[in-house]
Amino acid sequence: SYELTQPLSVSVALGQTARITCGGNNIGTKNVHWYQQKPGQAPVLVIYRDSNRPSGIPERFSGSKSGNTATLTISRAQAGDEAEFYCQVWDSSTWVFGGGTKLTVL
Amino acid sequence: QVQLVQSGAEVKEPGASVKVSCKASGYTFTDSYIHWVRQAPGQGLEWMGWINPNSGDTKYAQKLQGRVTMTRDTSISTASMELSRLRSDDTAVYYCARGGRYSSSPGFDSWGQGTLVTVSS
Repeated sequence: SYELTQPLSVSVALGQTARITCGGNNIGTKNVHWYQQKPGQAPVLVIYRDSNRPSGIPERFSGSKSGNTATLTISRAQAGDEAEFYCQVWDSSTWVFGGGTKLTVL
Repeated sequence: QVQLVQSGAEVKEPGASVKVSCKASGYTFTDSYIHWVRQAPGQGLEWMGWINPNSGDTKYAQKLQGRVTMTRDTSISTASMELSRLRSDDTAVYYCARGGRYSSSPGFDSWGQGTLVTVSS
């Protein structure tokens, strides 16, 4: 089965830029979606199809892909951005999530 | 606005079944797939399957085949997920989410609030 690899944790200083990676075989050929989940809440879609922001998501959130890695970038990080982030792709008729990355804003 | 409202928390004994419902509003229920995703305590997200509310067609994750059944009632814009032969490792928060079938879909753009299912004797 297809696997997506994310770092367990990423730390960023307040106001700086955080980058969360998501690796997978041939991920360059797949559409990658990203979700933010705060404690006790349902996930929220923040990026769809690699680099598109849903309505209401701040421009500080952006997505990109290069080679076998997709990256979620959060610019000018705020305390309220602290959360778990998950990447997701569709593979072999199933949906697959990465293991999640805990973002800490220092 | 799109809303998915799920049924309340459940406590079940091992071997029993549980049924979680998800009522949709704010859009045409038959226009989008409903997915079910679960999250065990302290763990990540696990996709369980989808139902096409228009046709009733379903697709389940392989590890849950034979134990999970997804249904819908279009008259009340509600999707349901039933999991049978419950085990302790089925203890999780269960979410419904609106999404598409294929890679080209724009992700799971709306989620229910989650339903905690606890399996314990």
